[in-house]
Amino acid sequence: GAVVSQHPSWVICKSGTSVKIECRSLDFQATTMFWYRQFPKQSLMLMATSNEGSKATYEQGVEKDKFLINHASLTLSTLTVTSAHPEDSSFYICSAGVGGWTTEAFFGQGTRLTVV
Amino acid sequence: DAKTTQPPSMDCAEGRAANLPCNHSTISGNEYVYWYRQIHSQGPQYIIHGLKNNETNEMASLIITEDRKSSTLILPHATLRDTAVYYCIVTYNNAGNMLTFGGGTRLMVKP
Repeated sequence: GAVVSQHPSWVICKSGTSVKIECRSLDFQATTMFWYRQFPKQSLMLMATSNEGSKATYEQGVEKDKFLINHASLTLSTLTVTSAHPEDSSFYICSAGVGGWTTEAFFGQGTRLTVV
Repeated sequence: DAKTTQPPSMDCAEGRAANLPCNHSTISGNEYVYWYRQIHSQGPQYIIHGLKNNETNEMASLIITEDRKSSTLILPHATLRDTAVYYCIVTYNNAGNMLTFGGGTRLMVKP
């Protein structure tokens, strides 16, 4: 199946700093990618839809100025958590679909962010 | 997307079949039933999906009732590595479509 790769797998940062998470589709092109956030013992919550070459669409309650999304190419979307605070500590996951004959979504392995 | 209801947790003995139920009574005619699972600290993994016919692949079988208001995911011979949270999601069959995750079922496979 198609492969979606996230980097880094985990990161620890200090409060007030920014962290960038990359999501790559390794063997297919993805015009749309999705970013999810998952707090401990909770389900995945969609944060935003990342569209190649255009602005991301954010879900209600997600601050677009805090969670910057860039989808500059068909194989790369980035999520930057700006001025991170401890409450931003979470598991961030991206996904993408191939389109055409296959219909499932492929997920990255996730990035665990810890803000200290 | 239609809402789904799953039991929060289930246990299964290793080597036995694991039957995970899902209710989706408000499913519309064009919506599919998808199953994903998430092993601890990993991204979700696609398992199987179907519209109205039963489906089987190398991982599992999906049984959908005739009225499509419920379904069951069957892992025929559960192993310890099948311990995970299983999500039943109803959505339109659109590749890469954003998914709305419910609480899922935490399956614990025990030796």
